[in-house]
Amino acid sequence: DAGVTQSPTHLIKTRGQHVTLRCSPISGHKSVSWYQQVLGQGPQFIFQYYEKEERGRGNFPDRFSARQFPNYSSELNVNALLLGDSALYLCASSPVAASSYNEQFFGPGTRLTVL
Amino acid sequence: SQQGEEDPQALSIQEGENATMNCSYKTSINNLQWYRQNSGRGLVHLILIRSNEREKHSGRLRVTLDTSKKSSSLLITASRAADTASYFCATSGANNLFFGTGTRLTVIP
Repeated sequence: DAGVTQSPTHLIKTRGQHVTLRCSPISGHKSVSWYQQVLGQGPQFIFQYYEKEERGRGNFPDRFSARQFPNYSSELNVNALLLGDSALYLCASSPVAASSYNEQFFGPGTRLTVL
Repeated sequence: SQQGEEDPQALSIQEGENATMNCSYKTSINNLQWYRQNSGRGLVHLILIRSNEREKHSGRLRVTLDTSKKSSSLLITASRAADTASYFCATSGANNLFFGTGTRLTVIP
């Protein structure tokens, strides 16, 4: 079975632009979480979705938004990009809503560079 | 902060030696997980230890948990060059994981 997939792999944007990152969870997994990992730091939680509903939100500005589709894939949108948004964006899937109580399966990430 | 903190930040050992990494956290937990990350790519789950467990093994990995000290350790025995990676502990929130800043392990062939 395919693991979690993310697209694109790399992305370069300029300040003020908008970006959309995509994630497809493992087949059968209904929960998708997004994390931001700045170079040299651990991943920071952004959003969790389960059954197309937002179940959790981290301490990120409203410029960050996400949604989950009927096939459980997900998009992360970031508006008005800042230099500080440069990071590796990780998507993780889990079969259950309480994803933190179980193993989460991570995708390879999207490396976003904001110039 | 609920975030875990790993110690040391970096560790360099010879192939065949054992590597020990420690994690401390501040709040009560349901479980603690360890993940590995190779060269800034996705994280790979290594092991999950629940709050009522004290020790767990998986292959060359041994994890301990001391809830009274709010700490955990990850031991990798007989290390290999392929073990070179960053290792993160993660504690569970309501809907998410809280990661520390990680330990960068380098295994020298």
